[in-house]
Amino acid sequence: AQKITQTQPGMFVQEKEAVTLDCTYDTSDPSYGLFWYKQPSSGEMIFLIYQGSYDQQNATEGRYSLNFQKARKSANLVISASQLGDSAMYFCAMRDYGGSQGNLIFGKGTKLSVKP
Amino acid sequence: DTAVSQTPKYLVTQMGNDKSIKCEQNLGHDTMYWYKQDSKKFLKIMFSYNNKELIINETVPNRFSPKSPDKAHLNLHINSLELGDSAVYFCASSQDNTVDANYGYTFGSGTRLTVV
Repeated sequence: AQKITQTQPGMFVQEKEAVTLDCTYDTSDPSYGLFWYKQPSSGEMIFLIYQGSYDQQNATEGRYSLNFQKARKSANLVISASQLGDSAMYFCAMRDYGGSQGNLIFGKGTKLSVKP
Repeated sequence: DTAVSQTPKYLVTQMGNDKSIKCEQNLGHDTMYWYKQDSKKFLKIMFSYNNKELIINETVPNRFSPKSPDKAHLNLHINSLELGDSAVYFCASSQDNTVDANYGYTFGSGTRLTVV
């Protein structure tokens, strides 16, 4: 069974607007971590934000926030005030101690394009 | 200083050849990983390794072998290269194999392997 699902292969957003990238996950382990990475066209993987399964509040890092809904097993990334430089692939990922043996497992990614 | 460095950045080689990709991390991390990113941008773990245990993704052909001369290095050797091996290979490291954000992954910049 797929552990991380990103249902949006591609998204468009107007510059300066907010955008939400969807991510749902599947795990039976009570302890897990959720991550978002950005991969620009240059190819490097850039860590954006983290949410722990026991964290009571949604994580925020600058213009990035993670909308964590534990009961729904969703961890959507919200980017506020989009900039042209936000155009990239975005990957949701999870670590748990179940079948992934603690390794970081990725979703298939969402390609975000910011329009001027 | 680059935290996780991979060499070479680009590698073009013929089918049937044997090649290696080197990875070094200067973060003092305990665990290192190799990921393969295919043409559809899907990131899949190939190996994770610390000084105690090598965990191999069972779908990885045995033509791929990780070699770790010390804690700071995890090289990837590929024998008898095939066209399907063409991909971007990422090395990564983490402090330990836990789900805590403090032990998130740091990625290298990737090696684009093209088999012709």
